Amino acid sequence: DGGITQSPKYLFRKEGQNVTLSCEQNLNHDAMYWYRQDPGQGLRLIYYSQIVNDFQKGDIAEGYSVSREKKESFPLTVTSAQKNPTAFYLCASSRLADTSYNEQFFGPGTRLTVL
Amino acid sequence: QKEVEQNSGPLSVPEGAIASLNCTYSDRGSQSFFWYRQYSGKSPELIMSIYSNGDKEDGRFTAQLNKASQYVSLLIRDSQPSDSATYLCAVKQGGSYQLTFGKGTKLSVIP
Repeated sequence: DGGITQSPKYLFRKEGQNVTLSCEQNLNHDAMYWYRQDPGQGLRLIYYSQIVNDFQKGDIAEGYSVSREKKESFPLTVTSAQKNPTAFYLCASSRLADTSYNEQFFGPGTRLTVL
Repeated sequence: QKEVEQNSGPLSVPEGAIASLNCTYSDRGSQSFFWYRQYSGKSPELIMSIYSNGDKEDGRFTAQLNKASQYVSLLIRDSQPSDSATYLCAVKQGGSYQLTFGKGTKLSVIP
């Protein structure tokens, strides 16, 4: 089955810790994205990547970092610099990032809670 | 600043009725429009995309786009309790990587 997987499903972080969220896709999509969703809010873009070894900041990149060493994988690290990291994190992918007919598909999400 | 506005609801409709969900957007350069369904605690699921003015039908769902009025809507015919969810409108400018999401409309279908 083709799809997007995210792990873990739930993650608890202590103050001052860095944590890494995993995102893998086997859809052969070129572009991958990380969004954050807070209760009652729309999704906000953290980072995106159109090709391997290249990524761009979204609207709320401060306190986050990413890497794109493989086409299938786009992990997100939430650093201690992110002051309010408790949220639902969603990874998405699409065939191409710069066409008008680009549909984004989402993984199941990781719910991060700061203790 | 690009904005996408949706009525937060909740919108309550009886089972079998037509549910009408509305979305307005601020950026006239927007060219691609998407509707996602999100069940409580789950991730968004793409249900409709529309790129040109007019109606696009897929089963019980119809998306309507009016670029002159900067308005996109989603109609759900013969609403079922399983349609109860939050519906997110997303807008993409042509040639852009980014989707701008509305905050969503919560739909409740009453049996």
